[in-house]
Amino acid sequence: KQEVTQIPAALSVPEGENLVLNCSFTDSAIYNLQWFRQDPGKGLTSLLLIQSSQREQTSGRLNASLDKSSGRSTLYIAASQPGDSATYLCAVRPGDAGGTSYGKLTFGQGTILTVHP
Amino acid sequence: DVKVTQSSRYLVKRTGEKVFLECVQDMDHENMFWYRQDPGLGLRLIYFSYDVKMKEKGDIPEGYSVSREKKERFSLILESASTNQTSMYLCASTPHGQGKASGKNIQYFGAGTRLSVL
Repeated sequence: KQEVTQIPAALSVPEGENLVLNCSFTDSAIYNLQWFRQDPGKGLTSLLLIQSSQREQTSGRLNASLDKSSGRSTLYIAASQPGDSATYLCAVRPGDAGGTSYGKLTFGQGTILTVHP
Repeated sequence: DVKVTQSSRYLVKRTGEKVFLECVQDMDHENMFWYRQDPGLGLRLIYFSYDVKMKEKGDIPEGYSVSREKKERFSLILESASTNQTSMYLCASTPHGQGKASGKNIQYFGAGTRLSVL
């Protein structure tokens, strides 16, 4: 059974710092990995999706990398801002040639990020 | 812009009531999901559906049922609400299959429904 772990569980940094959030998964047979952001009391917003054949994806100040063989992904946030404060979740979608997973995701517990001015 | 809409942001119900949570997506996605999210437990899959009238149990289906009569709509039903079903409920959708375009398999979420059962 796939298990996804995110470290650290919480992180507090001053504004302007570059930071790294970590995600590890136990089964490397994934199709893709997705990073989400969740604001308090809200739904999840997709930030980046990395296919299993890719090494990284970038969007603005965000960069996500994937090392499938070692079961790891990192989300790098450059020049953090108070508006980046949120919970960040990673989730993996299983590799599924037979089409039976239907896109089910396994989520990590999330990293709560606080960026203070 | 893609959209997954949950009918209510907040609901307060009484123990024993039958509760309907509605979710509509406008992206013609085949797959739809219901999760609940609780502090310390993360997101847990309740049910999912891969086609009209098709459904599969997730990790925690007990006390819930679902309905998918139309492709765009996926309903979660609490047959007899209990206090331990107080939670945040999240609906999501994603296209079926594993296409080559990286953007095709993003899972999109609704804003969530916070349900309190008293």
